Amino acid sequence: GQNIDQPTEMTATEGAIVQINCTYQTSGFNGLFWYQQHAGEAPTFLSYNVLDGLEEKGRFSSFLSRSKGYSYLLLKELQMKDSASYLCAVRDGNQAGTALIFGKGTTLSVSS
Amino acid sequence: DSGVTQTPKHLITATGQRVTLRCSPRSGDLSVYWYQQSLDQGLQFLIQYYNGEERAKGNILERFSAQQFPDLHSELNLSSLELGDSALYFCASSGKSEANYGYTFGSGTRLTVV
Repeated sequence: GQNIDQPTEMTATEGAIVQINCTYQTSGFNGLFWYQQHAGEAPTFLSYNVLDGLEEKGRFSSFLSRSKGYSYLLLKELQMKDSASYLCAVRDGNQAGTALIFGKGTTLSVSS
Repeated sequence: DSGVTQTPKHLITATGQRVTLRCSPRSGDLSVYWYQQSLDQGLQFLIQYYNGEERAKGNILERFSAQQFPDLHSELNLSSLELGDSALYFCASSGKSEANYGYTFGSGTRLTVV
């Protein structure tokens, strides 16, 4: 089976840095994805990690440690528009297909 | 526009009815995934199709079925609807460029069962 854990809620202020953690337990592993989702809208792709280490994309970075079953999403220079839900998703390599299995998401509230 | 098209955007129907949700994947993507998102459950994987064939099943009820057609569009059929089926239903597609674009989601169909 699969288990993906993220904190339910986080708060931060404009201009700050926030780290959203994700731990996972899967029978196989073939990549970890982070998505951003505003309420009632479609999830939008932020980052993809398949090897250990840090991937940087502008204000967003994502880190992966496969041996620890751990990832984090780092958001820098927070803006009000970053208030959203952040979803960690794992692709279980042992599945017949390649569907992403999602955590329940972390709701981030950015205040001024 | 993500390139994944879902119709209709909103659907209101009564318990016991049947509805069909439609999805056209991004150009060139062969895989289509259906997800259900309700407030307390997050995004739940339902079913995947690849180039017309069923590839994987998740938590899909027996009352639900799907198919992918030769032109790669997909339909999700929901029957004997219950109040608890009210949710956002998303379709996503993926292809060779997933490292750069991930799995691309459509804007979803909001189903309300009354």
